[in-house]
Amino acid sequence: AQTVTQSQPEMSVQEAETVTLSCTYDTSENNYYLFWYKQPPSRQMILVIRQEAYKQQNATENRFSVNFQKAAKSFSLKISDSQLGDTAMYFCAFMKPMIYNQGGKLIFGQGTELSVKP
Amino acid sequence: DTAVSQTPKYLVTQMGNDKSIKCEQNLGHDTMYWYKQDSKKFLKIMFSYNNKELIINETVPNRFSPKSPDKAHLNLHINSLELGDSAVYFCASSQVPLGSGANVLTFGAGSRLTVL
Repeated sequence: AQTVTQSQPEMSVQEAETVTLSCTYDTSENNYYLFWYKQPPSRQMILVIRQEAYKQQNATENRFSVNFQKAAKSFSLKISDSQLGDTAMYFCAFMKPMIYNQGGKLIFGQGTELSVKP
Repeated sequence: DTAVSQTPKYLVTQMGNDKSIKCEQNLGHDTMYWYKQDSKKFLKIMFSYNNKELIINETVPNRFSPKSPDKAHLNLHINSLELGDSAVYFCASSQVPLGSGANVLTFGAGSRLTVL
């Protein structure tokens, strides 16, 4: 069974600085997807960034980038130039590729509460 | 707007009551899900339906009964509510991508259930 671990329950960062959130996972699969979701106080689950395991290049989305280390089963999220609106709970998640008629099953980590301070 | 919408957003009820949460998606997806977020904010899948057929049923008490009248709707009915059922329930949907397209779930805004 797959597991996802986020070892930092809470983190804080000053506005405009850079912060890295850690995530490790355990799987025997070779092909899979990794995600970072953001959950602000509004409760909405927002996809931040996605990484396909078969791609060696790390995914980037504007100020958000990942450091994907497949052999180490590590998937950290770096937020550059932190903004007040980045304050949220961040979840790391794992999923095997979707299969026709079977959909996909997201397995989440425990979450990291990030506070961006002015 | 294209979205996954859930109703109600908030639900407060007494122990022992029966309640339902409704979910609708207009994204044309063929798979829908229910996830539960507990008081520690941990998210876990409960059920998944593909074209009205149950495909994932995690170890959930049988007081929880999902119903999918069509592939755009997935409702969650909970009988004999208990204090421990207090949580945020998220509906989500997805479509198996063609080729190497995105394997992504789209979530609703969540329904906060409080059992007193």
